[in-house]
Amino acid sequence: DIQMTQSPSSLSASVGDRVTISCRASQRISSHLNWYQQKPGKAPKLLIYAASNLESGVPSRVSGSGSGTDFTLTITSLQPEDFATYFCQQSFNAPWTFGQGTKVEIK
Amino acid sequence: QVQLVQSGAEVKKPGASVKVSCQAFGYTFINYDIYWVRQATGQGLEWMGWMNPNSGNTGYAQKFQGRLTMTMNTSMSTAYMELSSLRSEDTAVYHCARELANWGRRYFDLWGRGTLVTVSS
Repeated sequence: DIQMTQSPSSLSASVGDRVTISCRASQRISSHLNWYQQKPGKAPKLLIYAASNLESGVPSRVSGSGSGTDFTLTITSLQPEDFATYFCQQSFNAPWTFGQGTKVEIK
Repeated sequence: QVQLVQSGAEVKKPGASVKVSCQAFGYTFINYDIYWVRQATGQGLEWMGWMNPNSGNTGYAQKFQGRLTMTMNTSMSTAYMELSSLRSEDTAVYHCARELANWGRRYFDLWGRGTLVTVSS
């Protein structure tokens, strides 16, 4: 199975900050990488698919980049509704696997 | 409204079985694969398996082979996940998710809120 490693596991940030979350795959996965946001008690929400494609309705302050093994989720100008847990997922080789998640907390 | 609505929390004893439902609203149920993913407290997300509501085909993660059964009722647009021989390590939130597949891209564009299954004696 492909291992997905996210970093950091958590971070503290303030409203207006720029936040970057990394995701590394244990083997090359081209651009088959998706990002999700999860809030407590809520359904996960798709943010980015195929590494850099913004899902409809997701604000443009959210972006994704990368290819191969290294990927990045960036949120510019963090907003109160962005405090949540984010996780990556590869869809290159079954079984699809997920990163451990990054919790973004208020500083 | 397009959504997946899951059944409520369950408490089961070790060795028992649990069956969780996932009802689709707002879209044509048979057009998209349904996946099941679970998350234990403090752990990452774990892919369990998938089902194609059109064909009835299923695929299970090797870890769950022999214990996991996915079924459906297309007239009710509902998918079911049944896990048997439960043990404490199966305590987790179980999510269903719809997979969108196009142009070689595959991702979960719709998720259920999750069903907490607690296994305790």
